[in-house]
Amino acid sequence: ETGVTQTPRHLVMGMTNKKSLKCEQHLGHNAMYWYKQSAKKPLELMFVYNFKEQTENNSVPSRFSPECPNSSHLFLHLHTLQPEDSALYLCASSQTGTSWRDTDTQYFGPGTRLTVL
Amino acid sequence: AQKVTQAQTEISVVEKEDVTLDCVYETRDTTYYLFWYKQPPSGELVFLIRRNSFDEQNEISGRYSWNFQKSTSSFNFTITASQVVDSAVYFCALSGTGGGNKLTFGTGTQLKVEL
Repeated sequence: ETGVTQTPRHLVMGMTNKKSLKCEQHLGHNAMYWYKQSAKKPLELMFVYNFKEQTENNSVPSRFSPECPNSSHLFLHLHTLQPEDSALYLCASSQTGTSWRDTDTQYFGPGTRLTVL
Repeated sequence: AQKVTQAQTEISVVEKEDVTLDCVYETRDTTYYLFWYKQPPSGELVFLIRRNSFDEQNEISGRYSWNFQKSTSSFNFTITASQVVDSAVYFCALSGTGGGNKLTFGTGTQLKVEL
């Protein structure tokens, strides 16, 4: 595997279900991100992890719970979602240092298309 | 606050035409990065280019070229001799000192290239 992979690619779930999205990066990066992409809206940053520590939570509802066990893996645990949570969820990674000057390019996975019934 | 505006929601061209996608940004940072990404129907965002605010040189990569003008806060993207495979949504993005490694994206421009 190369780049950033995401599984599953498609997911349909009911509002009472619990599911998890998985992201893995094979680029040796130290930062990982979750984005939500809804129709007709800009990409919304949800969470940022630097060196496995969460450094950004962009006011995301608690029904979305991220987990970053190591620098290569990122999960998004989902429970009691709402139909408006249906969207494309994109994972990204980058090599980032301790200052903004280290801002590097974010590389994205193919996304998980989530439908909440 | 940072903002990226892509005023063109959708553009349709015939193959081999040249097409320019506009991007206008707002930031109070004096140093920042600008990006372009391509999102084909498969969904993955594909990185195309990164430009820092100190470098106003235009860049050309094959059929792609970018025009960065700090005076007008614009970072436009031109595809020369467009092809059907160029059909995708193109996003412009901005990161700056206040945002660390956070990107602010525009709403994207849907490009359709027809035969």
